[in-house]
Amino acid sequence: EVQLVESGGGSAQPGGSLRLSCAASGFTFSSYEMYWLRQAPGREPEWVSYISTSGTIIDYADSVRGRFTISRDNAKNSLHLQMSSLRVEDTAVYSCARDNPDFDALDMWGQGTLVTGSS
Amino acid sequence: QSVVTQPPSASGTPGQRVTISCSGSSSNIGSNTVNWYQQLPGTAPKLLIYRNGHRPSGVPDRFSGSKSGTSASLAISGLQSEDEADYYCAIWDDILNGRVFGGGTKLTVL
Repeated sequence: EVQLVESGGGSAQPGGSLRLSCAASGFTFSSYEMYWLRQAPGREPEWVSYISTSGTIIDYADSVRGRFTISRDNAKNSLHLQMSSLRVEDTAVYSCARDNPDFDALDMWGQGTLVTGSS
Repeated sequence: QSVVTQPPSASGTPGQRVTISCSGSSSNIGSNTVNWYQQLPGTAPKLLIYRNGHRPSGVPDRFSGSKSGTSASLAISGLQSEDEADYYCAIWDDILNGRVFGGGTKLTVL
């Protein structure tokens, strides 16, 4: 069964840091480009960061560029998001998702982990 | 505010046909394919339609998608109570150089 499981969420003071992880199973993780997205309560999903299969191509939404760092470990089938200089507006459920080139779509999402930037 | 617009709500009775629209521009819907997601309360988004009108394995044929110009739509026929969910369109935007989601449509089955 294809599965993505996020962990590492929690509450952090503004300016603080958190490291999110996404454990992949049931598919050849190294063959897929991956995304981090977030969804604030009552809002649509928002793209946060992208990483290529090898990890050599990376991109970020303007709202997090310079504060968040995406990485992957293909040997351990894991994806990470290092979040620093957290802001209240970063509060959301953060999910990892698989980009399926056969669909040209994010076809599998994890359940997400809640990040709360509280003051 | 999203660059892609959806009506905030839609409703129908069991058995009816409902359509949800997604309006964009030449930099997104006009030049790229549209995907649709269903999000049940408390769950992750589920891919419902990809590349404008294709269904992943396991998605009932009651769900269909189409695109024309800078607009797209999702149609649900034979509406069922379990279809009550939030629905999002998603597209690549060439100007923003990233994936964008519509604001979402909350479907209520009366």
